[in-house]
Amino acid sequence: GNSVTQMEGPVTLSEEAFLTINCTYTATGYPSLFWYVQYPGEGLQLLLKATKADDKGSNKGFEATYRKETTSFHLEKGSVQVSDSAVYFCALSTRSYDKVIFGPGTSLSVIP
Amino acid sequence: DTEVTQTPKHLVMGMTNKKSLKCEQHMGHRAMYWYKQKAKKPPELMFVYSYEKLSINESVPSRFSPECPNSSLLNLHLHALQPEDSALYLCASSQLFRGREQYFGPGTRLTVT
Repeated sequence: GNSVTQMEGPVTLSEEAFLTINCTYTATGYPSLFWYVQYPGEGLQLLLKATKADDKGSNKGFEATYRKETTSFHLEKGSVQVSDSAVYFCALSTRSYDKVIFGPGTSLSVIP
Repeated sequence: DTEVTQTPKHLVMGMTNKKSLKCEQHMGHRAMYWYKQKAKKPPELMFVYSYEKLSINESVPSRFSPECPNSSLLNLHLHALQPEDSALYLCASSQLFRGREQYFGPGTRLTVT
């Protein structure tokens, strides 16, 4: 079946450090891939998306590239800020399936 | 505009109460969703509505009753809840085509006493 695996953390980084959160998936067909972010006390926000192989999604300094050969969609940011502290969810959705499959989430804390 | 609104923001209810959660979107999306989320966990799908008709019920207990009065509104009626139902309840919407991203509301923090 379809599934998403990601590093669960918690991840603690100093401000201006480089961020990578790994995400790999298992899916039949060609899924769309997403990163959602959830700030404390809020709902989920779509951070970025990619709908086909080699697409790069980007937003607010975050980037992720759809790698079909490695079934991965790793999230990166060159210089994190305290305001990036949140839980990040990798997710997929396929054309043959009504549901979005979420990974377990990665909690990120950025300290000054 | 990619906004989904939810009311109330917080709700405290006893196990014998009846209450409702409300969700609204004006993006023209024809698919709407209810999720339950426990702390630091991913959202768990409860219900999916497509064209105002219930298309998925993830074996949710009958004390949760969804309703979709029109294409912009989604309600979740609550009755005789248990303390373990305390959670963040999230509404989401999307274009109807599979594979599309979902847009989430801010959620209702529900506490059952």
